[in-house]
Amino acid sequence: AQSVAQPEDQVNVAEGNPLTVKCTYSVSGNPYLFWYVQYPNRGLQFLLKYITGDNLVKGSYGFEAEFNKSQTSFHLKKPSALVSDSALYFCAVRHGGSQGNLIFGKGTKLSVKP
Amino acid sequence: NAGVTQTPKFQVLKTGQSMTLQCAQDMNHNSMYWYRQDPGMGLRLIYYSASEGTTDKGEVPNGYNVSRLNKREFSLRLESAAPSQTSVYFCASSPGGTATYEQYFGPGTRLTVT
Repeated sequence: AQSVAQPEDQVNVAEGNPLTVKCTYSVSGNPYLFWYVQYPNRGLQFLLKYITGDNLVKGSYGFEAEFNKSQTSFHLKKPSALVSDSALYFCAVRHGGSQGNLIFGKGTKLSVKP
Repeated sequence: NAGVTQTPKFQVLKTGQSMTLQCAQDMNHNSMYWYRQDPGMGLRLIYYSASEGTTDKGEVPNGYNVSRLNKREFSLRLESAAPSQTSVYFCASSPGGTATYEQYFGPGTRLTVT
């Protein structure tokens, strides 16, 4: 069965420090991976995706993610965190053989303190 | 472009009442989705419509029905609401087809069933 795991419910980072939000996946075939961000009382916003090609994917708001096939991971990173990055982050994988359906992780709450 | 819009934003129902959540997109997307979001559980797919005229069950379809009214609109109906359906409901759309496109989300409907 295809699945996505976000092992940390919450990540705390000081402003200006690098941040990492972890994601691992289990999928048959080639993985199509996504990161979304959700600010309080808002819908999800697309950050970036990996389909094929370079393992380092750059996205919106200075975020990037590194695809690691051997570790089945797709961790979200940012070199220097901002207080405004505080939000809920979701990793998702495309369901193989489906009509573009996504399977979401349970989310990681990122808290960036000044 | 408004993107994906949802109405209402908030709703309180009594157990056994019915209601329809409305969703519309103006991006000419083929595929549309309904999710529910519960704390600690991420997003779970209720129903989806790969293209106009088709609908399919997702992970948690029980207690819900959907209608793809036209290419723009995809509604979710609760025939007899139950407290377990208290949740935040998100509609999403994507271009669809075999390409791996990201999904675009509406702002959500916060539903409470008492």
